[in-house]
Amino acid sequence: AQKVTQAQTEISVVEKEDVTLDCVYETRDTTYYLFWYKQPPSGELVFLIRRNSFDEQNEISGRYSWNFQKSTSSFNFTITASQVVDSAVYFCALSVTNTGNQFYFGTGTSLTVIP
Amino acid sequence: KAGVTQTPRYLIKTRGQQVTLSCSPISGHRSVSWYQQTPGQGLQFLFEYFSETQRNKGNFPGRFSGRQFSNSRSEMNVSTLELGDSALYLCASSLGPRQGGNTEAFFGQGTRLTVV
Repeated sequence: AQKVTQAQTEISVVEKEDVTLDCVYETRDTTYYLFWYKQPPSGELVFLIRRNSFDEQNEISGRYSWNFQKSTSSFNFTITASQVVDSAVYFCALSVTNTGNQFYFGTGTSLTVIP
Repeated sequence: KAGVTQTPRYLIKTRGQQVTLSCSPISGHRSVSWYQQTPGQGLQFLFEYFSETQRNKGNFPGRFSGRQFSNSRSEMNVSTLELGDSALYLCASSLGPRQGGNTEAFFGQGTRLTVV
């Protein structure tokens, strides 16, 4: 069975602070894919990143960075110098090839950036 | 490039009625998945369609059904609505199976269904 855990339900930070959102996953499949999505108040899920299980390289995209560690089954997301526009709910998700493109989502972390 | 379009955006229905939601995926995408989002249960997978065939189904009762047309547009239907069906229904569009493995999905803004 697949499972994604986002232990942080809500986080508040002051603008320009750095913040890390945690994601821990469980799967017995050796080939799997990890994703992060952002859900602003408008409702749609905005794709941020995809990572496959064979690529443990960390990635940086502007103020966003991701740390993938298979040894701890974690795929954490860091926002550097947070901004008010970063306020949203962030979801970590997992998919495995034998269940098609089905995503197993975590419960989400609601991030509030205070000006 | 147009994104994923879901219609209608908002819907109010009475218990016992049925409802049909529509999703137009991104041009060229052949896989459409549906998710239900509620405060209590979070994001739950309903089903995935690829090339007009249901590829996978989540753990929902038979009242929830879907289909996909030859142009990849998809509809989902919920019959005999219950109060607990009130939720945001999200449609996700993706390329579908390919050598590179599972791909990212792009989501619509959802249909907010309220059952009274």
